[in-house]
Amino acid sequence: QQPVQSPQAVILREGEDAVINCSSSKALYSVHWYRQKHGEAPVFLMILLKGGEQKGHEKISASFNEKKQQSSLYLTASQLSYSGTYFCGTYGAGGTSYGKLTFGQGTILTVHP
Amino acid sequence: KAGVTQTPRYLIKTRGQQVTLSCSPISGHRSVSWYQQTPGQGLQFLFEYFSETQRNKGNFPGRFSGRQFSNSRSEMNVSTLELGDSALYLCASSLDRGELFFGEGSRLTVL
Repeated sequence: QQPVQSPQAVILREGEDAVINCSSSKALYSVHWYRQKHGEAPVFLMILLKGGEQKGHEKISASFNEKKQQSSLYLTASQLSYSGTYFCGTYGAGGTSYGKLTFGQGTILTVHP
Repeated sequence: KAGVTQTPRYLIKTRGQQVTLSCSPISGHRSVSWYQQTPGQGLQFLFEYFSETQRNKGNFPGRFSGRQFSNSRSEMNVSTLELGDSALYLCASSLDRGELFFGEGSRLTVL
């Protein structure tokens, strides 16, 4: 089942902060975050694993609440380059969602000067 | 190192035809996943292959199929194309359910 992201869209000015949420109805093994700029492929931002391990490539922080099956991506001091569509992807911990990285519908982030 | 390569990048087909898309993963990556991206549906999981075996399949009709070769290269095939199959088809490779590296995609237009 597809995770639900909120908000669907957010508009910021440079330097402002934003939080993007991802919620699942299934028990999760891990949560992935990706950013896709218009006309480009999605690019990896972060993985959050059950048990607390995190792996990321950028100065972007995120949290993973295993009990609530929720994750949040924190974008602080936003830059113009942060603009794009953010997707969370979830690997289920079992059942029919096991082994499938299922993506949310995306959150469109626009940063203005 | 070289990224994920997808071919062709663009193609136009008519209803009823079939199409084959190719994906060459990053060297050393044994997992290849395919996604369909449309404006209305976002990124929809098609299937995942690992060491030539389909490990998982999404909720797509049997017209969508794929395979993986011994060198980890993968192909997906769509038979009897419908207008609704028009989309960007993305391939992603990973070591094993880790960070996904996406290709630029194959944009299919069905007329």
